[in-house]
Amino acid sequence: QVQLQESGPGLVKPSETLSLTCTVSGGSISSYYWSWIRQPPGKGLEWMGYIYNIGTTDYKPSLKGRVTISVDTSKKQFSLKLSSVTAADTAVYYCARYNGYVGFDYWGQGALVTVSS
Amino acid sequence: DIQMTQSPSSLSASVGDRVTITCRASQSISNYLNWYQQKPGKAPKILIHVASGLQSGVPSRFSGSGSGTDFTLAISSLQPEDFATYYCQQTFSIPLTFGGGTKVEIK
Repeated sequence: QVQLQESGPGLVKPSETLSLTCTVSGGSISSYYWSWIRQPPGKGLEWMGYIYNIGTTDYKPSLKGRVTISVDTSKKQFSLKLSSVTAADTAVYYCARYNGYVGFDYWGQGALVTVSS
Repeated sequence: DIQMTQSPSSLSASVGDRVTITCRASQSISNYLNWYQQKPGKAPKILIHVASGLQSGVPSRFSGSGSGTDFTLAISSLQPEDFATYYCQQTFSIPLTFGGGTKVEIK
């Protein structure tokens, strides 16, 4: 059974960079799309981007320039960096496996990141 | 971006009721539409993939239908554990987008 677990700081200061890591266990990290999705408190879901294999990425256009997703296959981890954060970036951040047209089939439990000074 | 619009945004229903939720895409997405269930404090869970495919382990009271721009999620007989928020999501094009959600509450 594939399991994902997010880790990283729960508090980030405005204008700084948010960094999260997702560790994948119970399955291969190769040949799938690995994605980040966020959910502001009380609001809906927003796809941020994904990475495939070593380095093919795609990002939500409105976040381009601020978001970077990378992968370390040796550690079975993929990471999110979001720069120049503001209070609007406060959200629960989920990592998830994107299985193509069948959708997001495995999710982490989510990590709340608060942007505040 | 393809906009996904769900209706209603919330509904109240009783155990045993049949419930339907609709999702409309701003352009045709063929059948590239998935449905998720999210309970408070938990990650979403996929229920239906490619419009009508029941995900393994999901009870058969859940069903999906539609193609093009209009889709429906139905729950044939609402159970206590079904009170949650439901989201549709398109996989037709990047950026992947979700509907705004439908909260199903106890009447």
